[in-house]
Amino acid sequence: GENVEQHPSTLSVQEGDSAVIKCTYSDSASNYFPWYKQELGKRPQLIIDIRSNVGEKKDQRIAVTLNKTAKHFSLHITETQPEDSAVYFCAASRSNFGNEKLTFGTGTRLTIIP
Amino acid sequence: DAGVTQSPTHLIKTRGQQVTLRCSPKSGHDTVSWYQQALGQGPQFIFQYYEEEERQRGNFPDRFSGHQFPNYSSELNVNALLLGDSALYLCASSLVGDTMNTEAFFGQGTRLTVV
Repeated sequence: GENVEQHPSTLSVQEGDSAVIKCTYSDSASNYFPWYKQELGKRPQLIIDIRSNVGEKKDQRIAVTLNKTAKHFSLHITETQPEDSAVYFCAASRSNFGNEKLTFGTGTRLTIIP
Repeated sequence: DAGVTQSPTHLIKTRGQQVTLRCSPKSGHDTVSWYQQALGQGPQFIFQYYEEEERQRGNFPDRFSGHQFPNYSSELNVNALLLGDSALYLCASSLVGDTMNTEAFFGQGTRLTVV
């Protein structure tokens, strides 16, 4: 079955610097790659997603890149702020829009140092 | 719109007991998926329900079963609880189809502790 690996498991960056989280997946039939942010005690929230026909997507300070050949995708957060501190999960799905089984990575705890 | 609502928020059960968790999907959604999130881990897919039937299933034993009602709400049942079943159980609703705005939306979860 699908396996998603995520690195690093913890990441600390100075406020204002950039953060990068990387994921690799095993199922070449995966088409949809979302990123979720989970604050302590709260639900996972979708922050950005990308589909297999796109190489890069940006939304303000957040961007995601996808390399289908290498089967890896990355989350980039620029100009980090204290409210970016949370656990971030990548995921992969065979569906085009994330309404079927999602396979998650193990998470990255991001800490922004003021 | 209340989003996805789950009940109860916390639950403590004894090993060997049975438990039922409940989920109401986001308004307009027709599909419910359940995930188990152990401490410090990513969510793991248990199963998905659509039109009151199990549509997909992950690698979980038969002790985990579910149900979807005509109003799209869902229940997760776990029999013969083990200590290892202690986790946050997340419900996610979505809309079947291959179009935009069908992605999964998560509830806040039910924290189950088995003692």
